[in-house]
Amino acid sequence: EAGVVQSPRYKIIEKKQPVAFWCNPISGHNTLYWYRQNLGQGPELLIRYENEEAVDDSQLPKDRFSAERLKGVDSTLKIQPAELGDSAVYLCASSRQVNEKLFFGSGTQLSVL
Amino acid sequence: GESVGLHLPTLSVQEGDNSIINCAYSNSASDYFIWYKQESGKGPQFIIDIRSNMDKRQGQRVTVLLNKTVKHLSLQIAATQPGDSAVYFCAENGDSWGKLQFGAGTQVVVTP
Repeated sequence: EAGVVQSPRYKIIEKKQPVAFWCNPISGHNTLYWYRQNLGQGPELLIRYENEEAVDDSQLPKDRFSAERLKGVDSTLKIQPAELGDSAVYLCASSRQVNEKLFFGSGTQLSVL
Repeated sequence: GESVGLHLPTLSVQEGDNSIINCAYSNSASDYFIWYKQESGKGPQFIIDIRSNMDKRQGQRVTVLLNKTVKHLSLQIAATQPGDSAVYFCAENGDSWGKLQFGAGTQVVVTP
Protein backbone atom coordinates (compact mmCIF):
# COMPACT_ATOMS: atom_id res chain seq x y z
CA GLU A 1 0.00 0.00 0.00
CA ALA A 2 1.36 3.39 -0.97
CA GLY A 3 1.96 5.87 1.82
CA VAL A 4 1.35 9.58 1.81
CA VAL A 5 3.02 11.08 -1.25
CA GLN A 6 4.29 14.64 -1.33
CA SER A 7 5.98 16.71 -3.98
CA PRO A 8 8.31 18.35 -4.52
CA ARG A 9 10.86 17.04 -2.03
CA TYR A 10 12.85 20.24 -2.07
CA LYS A 11 12.08 23.77 -3.13
CA ILE A 12 14.34 26.81 -3.12
CA ILE A 13 12.79 30.17 -3.89
CA GLU A 14 13.51 33.83 -3.36
CA LYS A 15 11.44 35.79 -0.88
CA LYS A 16 8.22 37.27 -2.21
CA GLN A 17 7.86 34.45 -4.72
CA PRO A 18 4.89 32.04 -4.62
CA VAL A 19 5.28 28.34 -3.89
CA ALA A 20 2.93 25.36 -3.82
CA PHE A 21 3.13 21.91 -2.28
CA TRP A 22 1.11 18.89 -3.29
CA CYS A 23 -0.07 15.91 -1.23
CA ASN A 24 -1.74 12.63 -2.10
CA PRO A 25 -2.99 10.91 1.06
CA ILE A 26 -3.35 7.19 1.69
CA SER A 27 -6.33 5.80 -0.20
CA GLY A 28 -9.45 5.78 1.93
CA HIS A 29 -8.15 8.28 4.47
CA ASN A 30 -10.77 10.92 5.07
CA THR A 31 -8.69 13.22 7.25
CA LEU A 32 -5.76 15.15 5.82
CA TYR A 33 -3.37 17.41 7.69
CA TRP A 34 -0.70 19.91 6.80
CA TYR A 35 2.02 20.41 9.39
CA ARG A 36 5.05 22.68 9.44
CA GLN A 37 8.26 21.55 11.09
CA ASN A 38 11.00 24.01 11.93
CA LEU A 39 14.53 22.78 12.39
CA GLY A 40 15.00 20.95 15.66
CA GLN A 41 11.34 21.09 16.62
CA GLY A 42 8.27 18.92 16.44
CA PRO A 43 5.66 19.39 13.73
CA GLU A 44 2.93 22.01 14.25
CA LEU A 45 -0.49 21.76 12.70
CA LEU A 46 -1.42 24.28 10.02
CA ILE A 47 -4.73 22.93 8.77
CA ARG A 48 -6.89 19.83 8.96
CA TYR A 49 -9.41 18.60 6.40
CA GLU A 50 -12.30 16.22 6.88
CA ASN A 51 -12.97 15.11 3.31
CA GLU A 52 -13.02 18.39 1.38
CA GLU A 53 -13.88 20.62 4.32
CA ALA A 54 -11.25 22.56 6.25
CA VAL A 55 -12.37 21.99 9.84
CA ASP A 56 -9.40 23.51 11.66
CA ASP A 57 -7.34 26.25 10.05
CA SER A 58 -6.76 28.29 13.18
CA GLN A 59 -2.98 27.99 12.89
CA LEU A 60 -2.80 28.86 9.19
CA PRO A 61 -1.42 32.37 8.48
CA LYS A 62 -4.27 33.30 6.22
CA ASP A 63 -2.72 36.47 4.86
CA ARG A 64 -0.24 34.47 2.81
CA PHE A 65 -1.13 30.79 3.14
CA SER A 66 -3.97 29.01 1.43
CA ALA A 67 -4.93 25.38 1.01
CA GLU A 68 -7.46 23.32 -0.81
CA ARG A 69 -8.53 19.72 -1.01
CA LEU A 70 -10.48 19.15 -4.15
CA LYS A 71 -12.83 16.17 -4.23
CA GLY A 72 -11.65 15.18 -0.78
CA VAL A 73 -8.50 13.46 -2.01
CA ASP A 74 -5.37 15.39 -3.07
CA SER A 75 -4.47 18.65 -1.41
CA THR A 76 -2.31 21.65 -2.20
CA LEU A 77 -0.80 24.17 0.18
CA LYS A 78 0.26 27.52 -1.22
CA ILE A 79 2.31 30.39 0.11
CA GLN A 80 2.16 33.77 -1.60
CA PRO A 81 4.33 35.69 -1.09
CA ALA A 82 6.94 33.64 0.73
CA GLU A 83 8.98 35.18 3.52
CA LEU A 84 12.35 34.19 4.93
CA GLY A 85 10.68 32.82 8.06
CA ASP A 86 8.68 30.33 6.01
CA SER A 87 11.76 28.17 5.52
CA ALA A 88 10.81 24.83 7.06
CA VAL A 89 9.70 21.32 6.20
CA TYR A 90 6.04 21.11 5.21
CA LEU A 91 4.55 17.75 6.08
CA CYS A 92 1.32 16.24 4.91
CA ALA A 93 -0.34 13.50 6.94
CA SER A 94 -3.53 11.49 6.69
CA SER A 95 -5.64 9.24 8.86
CA ARG A 96 -8.70 7.11 8.22
CA GLN A 97 -10.69 9.06 10.76
CA VAL A 98 -9.77 11.98 12.98
CA ASN A 99 -9.37 9.80 16.07
CA GLU A 100 -6.93 7.39 14.50
CA LYS A 101 -3.20 7.44 14.00
CA LEU A 102 -1.61 9.78 11.50
CA PHE A 103 0.69 8.67 8.72
CA PHE A 104 3.11 11.27 7.41
CA GLY A 105 4.65 11.86 4.02
CA SER A 106 8.34 12.63 3.55
CA GLY A 107 7.71 16.35 3.46
CA THR A 108 8.78 19.24 1.29
CA GLN A 109 11.83 21.11 2.49
CA LEU A 110 11.38 24.78 1.64
CA SER A 111 14.26 27.24 1.62
CA VAL A 112 13.41 30.90 1.13
CA LEU A 113 16.42 33.04 0.21
CA GLY B 1 4.64 22.52 20.93
CA GLU B 2 7.07 24.60 22.80
CA SER B 3 10.16 25.86 21.09
CA VAL B 4 13.36 24.21 22.20
CA GLY B 5 15.70 25.62 19.59
CA LEU B 6 18.19 23.50 17.72
CA HIS B 7 19.65 21.49 20.60
CA LEU B 8 17.67 18.32 21.04
CA PRO B 9 18.19 16.19 24.12
CA THR B 10 20.39 13.29 23.10
CA LEU B 11 20.40 9.70 24.29
CA SER B 12 23.50 7.66 23.48
CA VAL B 13 22.94 3.92 23.58
CA GLN B 14 25.26 1.04 22.90
CA GLU B 15 24.09 -1.39 20.28
CA GLY B 16 22.24 -4.28 21.88
CA ASP B 17 21.28 -2.35 25.01
CA ASN B 18 17.74 -1.27 25.84
CA SER B 19 16.74 2.36 25.32
CA ILE B 20 14.27 4.37 27.35
CA ILE B 21 12.99 7.66 25.97
CA ASN B 22 10.94 9.82 28.28
CA CYS B 23 8.27 12.39 27.60
CA ALA B 24 6.34 14.65 29.93
CA TYR B 25 3.02 15.71 28.48
CA SER B 26 1.21 18.85 29.43
CA ASN B 27 -2.52 18.46 28.98
CA SER B 28 -4.55 16.52 31.53
CA ALA B 29 -7.34 16.21 28.98
CA SER B 30 -5.16 14.18 26.60
CA ASP B 31 -6.39 10.62 26.23
CA TYR B 32 -4.40 9.47 23.23
CA PHE B 33 -0.63 9.35 22.88
CA ILE B 34 1.62 8.37 20.06
CA TRP B 35 5.33 7.90 19.40
CA TYR B 36 6.96 8.74 16.11
CA LYS B 37 10.46 8.08 14.80
CA GLN B 38 11.98 10.58 12.39
CA GLU B 39 15.13 9.86 10.44
CA SER B 40 17.06 12.63 8.75
CA GLY B 41 15.29 13.88 5.64
CA LYS B 42 12.18 11.82 6.23
CA GLY B 43 8.76 12.38 7.67
CA PRO B 44 7.75 11.07 11.11
CA GLN B 45 7.12 7.32 11.09
CA PHE B 46 4.47 5.81 13.38
CA ILE B 47 5.91 3.52 16.05
CA ILE B 48 3.20 2.83 18.61
CA ASP B 49 0.21 4.48 20.22
CA ILE B 50 -1.69 4.12 23.48
CA ARG B 51 -5.00 5.33 24.82
CA SER B 52 -5.51 6.55 28.35
CA ASN B 53 -7.45 3.47 29.42
CA MET B 54 -4.20 1.52 29.22
CA ASP B 55 -0.93 1.76 31.16
CA LYS B 56 1.22 -0.31 28.85
CA ARG B 57 1.24 -1.44 25.29
CA GLN B 58 3.77 -3.59 23.49
CA GLY B 59 4.81 -3.77 19.89
CA GLN B 60 7.68 -5.35 18.08
CA ARG B 61 10.75 -4.53 20.22
CA VAL B 62 8.97 -1.47 21.61
CA THR B 63 6.89 -0.85 24.71
CA VAL B 64 5.06 2.32 25.64
CA LEU B 65 4.28 3.07 29.27
CA LEU B 66 1.77 5.69 30.36
CA ASN B 67 1.61 7.17 33.85
CA LYS B 68 -1.37 9.48 33.96
CA THR B 69 -0.79 10.45 37.57
CA VAL B 70 2.41 12.28 36.75
CA LYS B 71 1.63 12.87 33.07
CA HIS B 72 4.58 10.85 31.87
CA LEU B 73 5.05 8.72 28.81
CA SER B 74 8.00 6.51 27.95
CA LEU B 75 9.14 4.47 25.00
CA GLN B 76 11.32 1.46 25.57
CA ILE B 77 13.26 -0.06 22.71
CA ALA B 78 14.67 -3.52 23.30
CA ALA B 79 18.04 -4.56 21.87
CA THR B 80 18.69 -1.22 20.21
CA GLN B 81 20.07 -1.45 16.69
CA PRO B 82 21.94 1.07 14.51
CA GLY B 83 18.77 1.52 12.48
CA ASP B 84 17.08 2.88 15.59
CA SER B 85 19.21 6.03 15.41
CA ALA B 86 16.75 8.87 14.81
CA VAL B 87 14.79 11.62 16.54
CA TYR B 88 11.86 10.32 18.56
CA PHE B 89 8.77 12.45 19.20
CA CYS B 90 5.92 11.87 21.57
CA ALA B 91 2.57 13.49 20.77
CA GLU B 92 -0.73 13.93 22.60
CA ASN B 93 -4.20 14.76 21.32
CA GLY B 94 -4.80 17.54 23.82
CA ASP B 95 -8.31 18.90 24.20
CA SER B 96 -9.60 17.51 20.95
CA TRP B 97 -8.95 15.03 18.25
CA GLY B 98 -7.26 16.19 15.10
CA LYS B 99 -4.66 18.45 16.65
CA LEU B 100 -1.75 16.36 17.82
CA GLN B 101 0.65 18.31 20.02
CA PHE B 102 4.23 17.18 19.54
CA GLY B 103 6.95 17.26 22.14
CA ALA B 104 10.42 18.59 21.51
CA GLY B 105 11.97 15.31 20.40
CA THR B 106 14.90 13.20 21.62
CA GLN B 107 17.86 12.33 19.44
CA VAL B 108 18.87 8.70 19.87
CA VAL B 109 22.39 7.77 18.81
CA VAL B 110 23.30 4.11 18.71
CA THR B 111 27.00 3.38 19.07
CA PRO B 112 28.66 0.10 18.09
